[in-house]
Amino acid sequence: QQQVKQSPQSLIVQKGGISIINCAYENTAFDYFPWYQQFPGKGPALLIAIRPDVSEKKEGRFTISFNKSAKQFSLHIMDSQPGDSATYFCAASMIETSGSRLTFGEGTQLTVNP
Amino acid sequence: DADVTQTPRNRITKTGKRIMLECSQTKGHDRMYWYRQDPGLGLRLIYYSFDVKDINKGEISDGYSVSRQAQAKFSLSLESAIPNQTALYFCATSDFGREETQYFGPGTRLLVL
Repeated sequence: QQQVKQSPQSLIVQKGGISIINCAYENTAFDYFPWYQQFPGKGPALLIAIRPDVSEKKEGRFTISFNKSAKQFSLHIMDSQPGDSATYFCAASMIETSGSRLTFGEGTQLTVNP
Repeated sequence: DADVTQTPRNRITKTGKRIMLECSQTKGHDRMYWYRQDPGLGLRLIYYSFDVKDINKGEISDGYSVSRQAQAKFSLSLESAIPNQTALYFCATSDFGREETQYFGPGTRLLVL
């Protein structure tokens, strides 16, 4: 069963628009929530991450909003650009005995039209 | 040079064949992971290793095995490949820390006929 659910599966946005991708998790033991960005033919790479003790984190045009009570978090891409076209994965992790593991969402394929 | 390399990058094999996918890293990280990516299913963890002597099953380990030959090398084997193992496979590494960033290789595209 998917512990981290992501939506939408695909998203098309016009250049300059706002892209919003949503994720929901079930396990309240998760304590770290990163987003990874994957370009075609490449492996995923860390984009931005947040801890549940803050409600928002912003890095340039990318913002994570976090709602602990609803167990939801989202990625907002402001002023979306064609170069942002990629697959985005949300993830969650928790500390275990000897380390931590990431549980990924299903992924969102973002297309930004010029 | 890439920090995490995977070989081969593409592979076509037949049902029942044994194949090995290899991963090497120069980042000096202790932790290594194997994932498979399928459309609509995201990245799913197959096996992970927190150090050379530590091997753990992930959520979809059936039909796969791994070997951690050294800190820098982590291999994934399909003992008897089947068509539903057709997927994109990624190796990743991370260092110890509360907020571990995982660094992914470029992936191996596997087709099982």
